[in-house]
Amino acid sequence: DTAVSQTPKYLVTQMGNDKSIKCEQNLGHDTMYWYKQDSKKFLKIMFSYNNKELIINETVPNRFSPKSPDKAHLNLHINSLELGDSAVYFCASSQAGVAGYTFGSGTRLTVV
Amino acid sequence: QKEVEQNSGPLSVPEGAIASLNCTYSDRGSQSFFWYRQYSGKSPELIMFIYSNGDKEDGRFTAQLNKASQYVSLLIRDSQPSDSATYLCAVSGSGNTPLVFGKGTRLSVIA
Repeated sequence: DTAVSQTPKYLVTQMGNDKSIKCEQNLGHDTMYWYKQDSKKFLKIMFSYNNKELIINETVPNRFSPKSPDKAHLNLHINSLELGDSAVYFCASSQAGVAGYTFGSGTRLTVV
Repeated sequence: QKEVEQNSGPLSVPEGAIASLNCTYSDRGSQSFFWYRQYSGKSPELIMFIYSNGDKEDGRFTAQLNKASQYVSLLIRDSQPSDSATYLCAVSGSGNTPLVFGKGTRLSVIA
């Protein structure tokens, strides 16, 4: 049973489109994250949600909007996609008192 | 700006040797330190964590932390070709501070 699942795994879309990536965790963790990994493998935090509240919003464009309907889900909606948005987006979750994060398998977004 | 620095590599070691991976961090208030392994096309997986100065061993892996020098390292003994991957160092402060990752060191173990 997958702990942190993301869909879709691959996403190819044209510039200017709007797309969403979904993430679900069945670990009972209280915090979820979105990270962006660029072509040079650099993992950078985008958002962090704790019990459905946004607690960190790093300086990402406001075209990116996270949505958390409940503490097991954290979705990422992207408006007006640009070429520079092409990357692998990872969802992760963590629980206070438990070391480290559990990552989803990633969504490879390609904007053409 | 909290930063985590790693040598990007590639670091090439022969099979059976010790691989030594290094990481420095800028935030003196950092409290938790992690090593993740990422195979090409896969997600990062946690292999070690350390909170206190000194060494922590788990099987073939040893994490070393020196907070005075703001330095973390990972030693892999008896390196195997299956250890070939990118190793990411990650650092966190207190509370809900999210992990800040280094850019990773690519390790290649030559059979």
